[in-house]
Amino acid sequence: GAVVSQHPSWVICKSGTSVKIECRSLDFQATTMFWYRQFPKQSLMLMATSNEGSKATYEQGVEKDKFLINHASLTLSTLTVTSAHPEDSSFYICSAGLERGGNNEQFFGPGTRLTVL
Amino acid sequence: GESVGLHLPTLSVQEGDNSIINCAYSNSASDYFIWYKQESGKGPQFIIDIRSNMDKRQGQRVTVLLNKTVKHLSLQIAATQPGDSAVYFCAETDANYGGSQGNLIFGKGTKLSVKP
Repeated sequence: GAVVSQHPSWVICKSGTSVKIECRSLDFQATTMFWYRQFPKQSLMLMATSNEGSKATYEQGVEKDKFLINHASLTLSTLTVTSAHPEDSSFYICSAGLERGGNNEQFFGPGTRLTVL
Repeated sequence: GESVGLHLPTLSVQEGDNSIINCAYSNSASDYFIWYKQESGKGPQFIIDIRSNMDKRQGQRVTVLLNKTVKHLSLQIAATQPGDSAVYFCAETDANYGGSQGNLIFGKGTKLSVKP
């Protein structure tokens, strides 16, 4: 149980275009989902926390108008990279929060590799 | 350990040996710690966790040790196998973890390379 999927798994786009990445919790409902970005050979950096039905909370230095997050249901959050540029090329990973056994846990998706040409 | 530039610290071990991966965490208020394994091109996979009221926790072939005095966490892997080759991250958080206010803070990661 507690499976999280992402779609697409990889995407290549031209500079200036927008790309949407979906994050789904397949077998549980997640009030909170998290979006991370990971550059090569670096750690995961939290971009924003997404709460169902409300606005996302962005980390310092992350442009909310560039990285649009929508959490319309308890099983789906989307990240749209608007007007993508080569420096946005990265591995984007989502996670979904679930309370289990008294603990709140995050379950991670498989990631989406974005390459902007 | 800490990374320098874009280079992940690397630990190279022989198959069958034990591995010890270390992590220094930053927030003395953190009370929950997790080790993740990340294979190339994949998302992080939960390995083991520990709360701050414990100093040791064992799983299957893995043990996590916590030293709150020096804010140090370690992951021990017994009888390391080629399938253990991956990047390992520690993560810390506080009591609000997983909820709307709880965030994970990831360490820099260590690449484990297992030689057959």
